[in-house]
Amino acid sequence: SYELTQPPSVSVSPGQTARITCSGDALPKQYAYWYQQKPGQAPVLVIYKDSERPSGIPERFSGSSSGTTVTLTISGVQAEDEADYYCQSADSSGTVVFGGGTKLTVL
Amino acid sequence: EVQLVESGGGLVKPGGSLRLSCAASGFTFSNAWMSWVRQAPGKGLEWVGRIKSKTDGGTTDYAAPVKGRFTISRDDSKNTLYLQMNSLKTEDTAVYYCTTVRVEMATPYFDYWGQGTLVTVSS
Repeated sequence: SYELTQPPSVSVSPGQTARITCSGDALPKQYAYWYQQKPGQAPVLVIYKDSERPSGIPERFSGSSSGTTVTLTISGVQAEDEADYYCQSADSSGTVVFGGGTKLTVL
Repeated sequence: EVQLVESGGGLVKPGGSLRLSCAASGFTFSNAWMSWVRQAPGKGLEWVGRIKSKTDGGTTDYAAPVKGRFTISRDDSKNTLYLQMNSLKTEDTAVYYCTTVRVEMATPYFDYWGQGTLVTVSS
């Protein structure tokens, strides 16, 4: 079955740039989406269509795509950005797939 | 403001049944595709299934682990989404989220989420 691969964890200091990657063979043909989930809360969409930002999401969140890898970049990381981040896409039949999640730690 | 409020979670024995509800407001529910996504304790997100709007056929689609056991339905007159779960297994233990669904270039995604309801399957 189709999989999206994320690193289990990423750590950065406040003010630095965090980059979280997500790899999958179908990503050149399907859009990727990113969700932020803080402890005890529901996920929140932070990036859609690879690089678009929903209204209300800070400009420090951005997304990019290159081949079979998409990247969520958080510039000038703040303590409040500490959370789990999930990428999501679909396989060739349109079945939804989530990545395993990346825990972002702000040191 | 979009609001999705799930209810109906609880403790159920293996082999039992449970029906979850999701009350929607703040948008035109009848035009929306809807989905359920679950998260086992300490684990990642897992898509459960989706229902299209009636104008788009009202059809459903399910993830392999729940196909044949779970049924998604909707009552547009009540702005409510349902998830009927039968033949429950311990591995179905999770927080179940109700979400709205959008589709871009055949890729579905989830723009609004409820707060979730916990289902525990245990003897």
